[in-house]
Amino acid sequence: AQTVTQSQPEMSVQEAETVTLSCTYDTSESDYYLFWYKQPPSRQMILVIRQEAYKQQNATENRFSVNFQKAAKSFSLKISDSQLGDAAMYFCATETSGSRLTFGEGTQLTVNP
Amino acid sequence: NAGVMQNPRHLVRRRGQEARLRCSPMKGHSHVYWYRQLPEEGLKFMVYLQKENIIDESGMPKERFSAEFPKEGPSILRIQQVVRGDSAAYFCASSPGDRSFYGYTFGSGTRLTVV
Repeated sequence: AQTVTQSQPEMSVQEAETVTLSCTYDTSESDYYLFWYKQPPSRQMILVIRQEAYKQQNATENRFSVNFQKAAKSFSLKISDSQLGDAAMYFCATETSGSRLTFGEGTQLTVNP
Repeated sequence: NAGVMQNPRHLVRRRGQEARLRCSPMKGHSHVYWYRQLPEEGLKFMVYLQKENIIDESGMPKERFSAEFPKEGPSILRIQQVVRGDSAAYFCASSPGDRSFYGYTFGSGTRLTVV
């Protein structure tokens, strides 16, 4: 069974600064995908960034980047130059051969002006 | 290019009634997934469907819940004889194929309240 753990229920960051959200996971599979989704108050689930496990290079999408440590089964999200619009619940998720996503419990990010 | 459309956005049902939640996937997407989000929790997988087929329903409660994705029309998640514990947000996602390289596109969810 897949498990995903987000150990930080809440995080806060000052506008324009950098914050890192932690995620660890457990899987017995060798081929899998990892995702970070953002859920603002509107409840819409928005894909932030994804990583293929077989790729050693960390994924980057503009101000968002990941630190993927496969051996440690760690997949943290770094948000640079934080903006007020980044405030949301962030979910880490894994996807394996069953085409199903396993989500963590989420980290509520607050951005302070 | 409309995204994944879910309706209704909010649904209130009395205990014992039936709830029907609808999901229209993105154009060109033939794979649909349903997830449930209980208050203060992450999303939990329920069922994975392709057109006219249930691929994986291992996350679906054995009783009262059913899902379909007919050849024509939206995918339907049906909950019979609802109970208070069914109150949650139900999300639908779609993808153009399995193991989607581009991730899954989610709808805005249906919040079901059982009173």
